[in-house]
Amino acid sequence: EAQVTQNPRYLITVTGKKLTVTCSQNMNHEYMSWYRQDPGLGLRQIYYSMNVEVTDKGDVPEGYKVSRKEKRNFPLILESPSPNQTSLYFCASSPGNRGWNSPLHFGNGTRLTVT
Amino acid sequence: AQSVTQLGSHVSVSEGALVLLRCNYSSSVPPYLFWYVQYPNQGLQLLLKYTTGATLVKGINGFEAEFKKSETSFHLTKPSAHMSDAAEYFCAVSGDNFGNEKLTFGTGTRLTIIP
Repeated sequence: EAQVTQNPRYLITVTGKKLTVTCSQNMNHEYMSWYRQDPGLGLRQIYYSMNVEVTDKGDVPEGYKVSRKEKRNFPLILESPSPNQTSLYFCASSPGNRGWNSPLHFGNGTRLTVT
Repeated sequence: AQSVTQLGSHVSVSEGALVLLRCNYSSSVPPYLFWYVQYPNQGLQLLLKYTTGATLVKGINGFEAEFKKSETSFHLTKPSAHMSDAAEYFCAVSGDNFGNEKLTFGTGTRLTIIP
């Protein structure tokens, strides 16, 4: 089944403790992206990648890192999480290498709470 | 810069009634327009998209949207609401804006269906 898989679904952590949210897609998509969803703000893009070893900042990149060593994987890293990073996170991929003119396929989300 | 406005963060309709979710955008021409749906505890799924051609776009689950360039609108409709339509709906716009190719989401409209 074609899908985007995120892990974990739920994560509670403390301020400053490094964490990684994994994302994997099995559709051979070139474009991958991370979003955060907050009430009243919709989805905001954190980072995106147009291909292996190519990543770029989205609208809200501060406090986050990503890597794209393989086409299928695009992990999101929070080196020192803070409470304002408490949010619902989504990974998405699309077949185009731009991400703005092809439909996105989303994972089921990771709900992160930082205390 | 492009932007998306979804009028009404919450909309309630009776089962069997018309569903109308409003979306207005600002973008360079031609825009690409999308509607996504998010069911509880799930990621976003594509409902429909407009790229070029016919201005009335049909999507899944009986939804459709009409691109009106003169009104810069892309409202989502469904003739008869079903209980299973209860979800959050996001409008998104993208386009080549002087080399800034970007997908922008609206803040979402939560649709409640009244039995």
